[in-house]
Amino acid sequence: DAGITQSPRHKVTETGTPVTLRCHQTENHRYMYWYRQDPGHGLRLIHYSYGVKDTDKGEVSDGYSVSRSKTEDFLLTLESATSSQTSVYFCAISESPLYGYTFGSGTRLTVV
Amino acid sequence: AQSVTQLDSQVPVFEEAPVELRCNYSSSVSVYLFWYVQYPNQGLQLLLKYLSGSTLVKGINGFEAEFNKSQTSFHLRKPSVHISDTAEYFCAVSERSAGGTSYGKLTFGQGTILTVHP
Repeated sequence: DAGITQSPRHKVTETGTPVTLRCHQTENHRYMYWYRQDPGHGLRLIHYSYGVKDTDKGEVSDGYSVSRSKTEDFLLTLESATSSQTSVYFCAISESPLYGYTFGSGTRLTVV
Repeated sequence: AQSVTQLDSQVPVFEEAPVELRCNYSSSVSVYLFWYVQYPNQGLQLLLKYLSGSTLVKGINGFEAEFNKSQTSFHLRKPSVHISDTAEYFCAVSERSAGGTSYGKLTFGQGTILTVHP
């Protein structure tokens, strides 16, 4: 397989609670990304990482934070979940901007 | 900043017919271009990419795309589709930058749902 896994695959949480999604890779790729997918919007970049402890914001970063303490793990945290954060979240990895991405299978998050 | 517009949200087509999925982009700098496919309840898979050189690029599953710089387009084509091609297709663009300072960030279009009917 591609060597990228996301956990959990599905989660239902209540408004106001913190939530952490995990992306784990075994490819030793430098670049990691978090996107959210919503109907009619395609995929939108939340945060990305270009190395251990090197992260930056994407276009829809409000309400989200990330951490990358080691090459293989990239965590996405919703500080206080809101219903507008109900979405499918995809992690992606890349060895180089020239190669495109390998995507995880996604996490379907529902905030009630 | 760049943007991507996929001109058709849904494209229905009969099996063995040709298909074209349209993509236009906007950017103030040179770009790399990609097409991804997403089958139901799965992640996205890379179909093909344009980095430089020949403007006609071939990908997996018989798909090809043509880069047209003057029209800022990157349309995806297949001469004969199969039922198994039913999926959502995404066009994406990233900045071509010296030193990798774009970090490979992709901007995606809204997606085109291709439905192949028997």
